[in-house]
Amino acid sequence: DAKTTQPPSMDCAEGRAANLPCNHSTISGNEYVYWYRQIHSQGPQYIIHGLKNNETNEMASLIITEDRKSSTLILPHATLRDTAVYYCIVRVSTGFQKLVFGTGTRLLVSP
Amino acid sequence: GAVVSQHPSRVICKSGTSVKIECRSLDFQATTMFWYRQFPKQSLMLMATSNEGSKATYEQGVEKDKFLINHASLTLSTLTVTSAHPEDSSFYICSARGVGGTEAFFGQGTRLTVV
Repeated sequence: DAKTTQPPSMDCAEGRAANLPCNHSTISGNEYVYWYRQIHSQGPQYIIHGLKNNETNEMASLIITEDRKSSTLILPHATLRDTAVYYCIVRVSTGFQKLVFGTGTRLLVSP
Repeated sequence: GAVVSQHPSRVICKSGTSVKIECRSLDFQATTMFWYRQFPKQSLMLMATSNEGSKATYEQGVEKDKFLINHASLTLSTLTVTSAHPEDSSFYICSARGVGGTEAFFGQGTRLTVV
C-alpha cells in the first residue's frame, strides 16, 4: 500500500510556481521521498528525491519538513508541458524495494 | 538519465492469443525490473518484480501463469500475456534499476488492446 497522501488535483497558472504537497507521516528513518510524474499516455518520469535536506535540480525543488512527515515539490515556473499526474513515493534508496504508486496529484497548468 | 525502451508501444491482439512485450535498458545494466499495469484514470499497479536470472516475484492477485515474465539478461525483460482476454486491455509499463541505482527509470509504456 502507498504510504503517502496527496491532493487529487491542483491548478496552476503558466509561469507561476506550482507547489505540490505530500504527507508521509509514517515514513521510516531510512526511507527517501521520491517524486515522479506521468504525462498522459507515457511512462513515469523521475523528478527528484531526498532524505531530509532540501534538494534542487534542473526540474524542481524538494522541501522536506524537519520532522520528515511531509514534503512539497516546487516547480518554480510552471509551463503547459508540466501538466501531468505527480506521484510522491517513499522507499529506501537501494536494494530490492519496489516503487508503490498512490493516486497522485493531477496538476493542470493553464495559460 | 538512463534510457529504458519498451516495444511495441501499441498492440492489438485477438482474444485467446498471446502477446509479448519487451523492455530494454539501453545504456545500463538492469539488475532489477518491474512491471506495472495501469487502467484508464487509475494509478500504476505493480504486477511483478524480477531480478536478472531469477524467477519473478508476483504481487498478490496477479496470475503468474497468465503473465509470464522473463529476465534472462541484464538488458532485457519480457512480459508475455497469455490467452489474452478483453479485460487484459491496459497500459503496461516497465521500469528498470541498475546495480546500486537509487532510482528506477521507466519505459514509455505499451498499450494493449484485446479484441
